[in-house]
Amino acid sequence: ETGVTQTPRHLVMGMTNKKSLKCEQHLGHNAMYWYKQSAKKPLELMFVYSLEERVENNSVPSRFSPECPNSSHLFLHLHTLQPEDSALYLCASSQRRGQGTVNTEAFFGQGTRLTVV
Amino acid sequence: AQKVTQAQTEISVVEKEDVTLDCVYETRDTTYYLFWYKQPPSGELVFLIRRNSFDEQNEISGRYSWNFQKSTSSFNFTITASQVVDSAVYFCALSEAGYSTLTFGKGTMLLVSP
Repeated sequence: ETGVTQTPRHLVMGMTNKKSLKCEQHLGHNAMYWYKQSAKKPLELMFVYSLEERVENNSVPSRFSPECPNSSHLFLHLHTLQPEDSALYLCASSQRRGQGTVNTEAFFGQGTRLTVV
Repeated sequence: AQKVTQAQTEISVVEKEDVTLDCVYETRDTTYYLFWYKQPPSGELVFLIRRNSFDEQNEISGRYSWNFQKSTSSFNFTITASQVVDSAVYFCALSEAGYSTLTFGKGTMLLVSP
């Protein structure tokens, strides 16, 4: 497989469930990201992992818990979600370099369409 | 703070028409990067182009062209002779030098009818 793959593609869960989203990148990148895409809102950055360390958390509620066990895998653990958390969750990866150097583009997976009922 | 504005929510054209998608950005950084992504119905964001703030040359790739104007903080995207397969949501995005986190605009949905 190549690129960034996300599973599952679709997920319906109740508010009391616990589930996890999985992302895997085959590009040799050192940074991975979770973005949330809600209807009629801009794509929102949720978390950034660089070299397996979380370097950014954009005030995301604690019911979302990311995990990055290695540079190729990223998870988003979900628990006690709310209906307003229903959205498309996109994973991305890139080669993150230091300040003042060339910025590489991020490559995205196809997303997980999450519905909270 | 960075901001990207795509004022056009939805554009409808007939096949073979040319169409321009507007993007205006705000940043305090002198070095930054601009991107365009395409999101077809399948959901995946497909990378189209990256420009850095020091390179104002316009770029053409097949039917796609990009016009970067620093003086007006704009990075517009033109599709020439549009096709039905061009129907998608197009996002303009901005990032600071050295960091790959992207600030996205709200996107422009392009509908190309036969």
